[in-house]
Amino acid sequence: AQSVAQPEDQVNVAEGNPLTVKCTYSVSGNPYLFWYVQYPNRGLQFLLKYITGDNLVKGSYGFEAEFNKSQTSFHLKKPSALVSDSALYFCAVSATFSGGYNKLIFGAGTRLAVHP
Amino acid sequence: EPEVTQTPSHQVTQMGQEVILRCVPISNHLYFYWYRQILGQKVEFLVSFYNNEISEKSEIFDDQFSVERPDGSNFTLKIRSTKLEDSAMYFCASSVPLPSGANVLTFGAGSRLTVL
Repeated sequence: AQSVAQPEDQVNVAEGNPLTVKCTYSVSGNPYLFWYVQYPNRGLQFLLKYITGDNLVKGSYGFEAEFNKSQTSFHLKKPSALVSDSALYFCAVSATFSGGYNKLIFGAGTRLAVHP
Repeated sequence: EPEVTQTPSHQVTQMGQEVILRCVPISNHLYFYWYRQILGQKVEFLVSFYNNEISEKSEIFDDQFSVERPDGSNFTLKIRSTKLEDSAMYFCASSVPLPSGANVLTFGAGSRLTVL
């Protein structure tokens, strides 16, 4: 069965420092991987996705993620964190694709706190 | 930027009452979804909907739940007789169909349901 693990409940980082939010996955076949962010009282916002091709995927707000097939990981990164990056981050894998829809399996989420 | 709109933002109801959560998906999207997030837990898939019928539903989506697209713009989730454990944030999402499964789900801000 497909699954996603986010091993850290919370990540703390100082503003200006690089950040990494970890994600590992388990899926049969080729994975479709996504990162979403949730700000307070807002819906889940799409950050980036990996479908195929270059293992380094660039997304919104300066975020990027590296797909590592051997380690089954898809860690989210940013070279220099901002206080405004503080939010809840979800990794997701597409579990089903049939005829055009996308059933996402989400990780538990990681709360990122960026301190001034 | 197009948004998925959900109403109400918060609903409090008594156990056993019927609840209808409403969503207006993005106008050119064809796939519609409901997810839920119980406080402190993962975002869970409930159901996907396409061409006026359910594409897939999870084991959570039992006979107490139903979905409907009553007109050309709204997509609703009905819980027929609410239980305490139905208390959660319910997210609506929509997407365009893509042949590769890489379609991105756009989520609404959520409807928080509290069952007393």
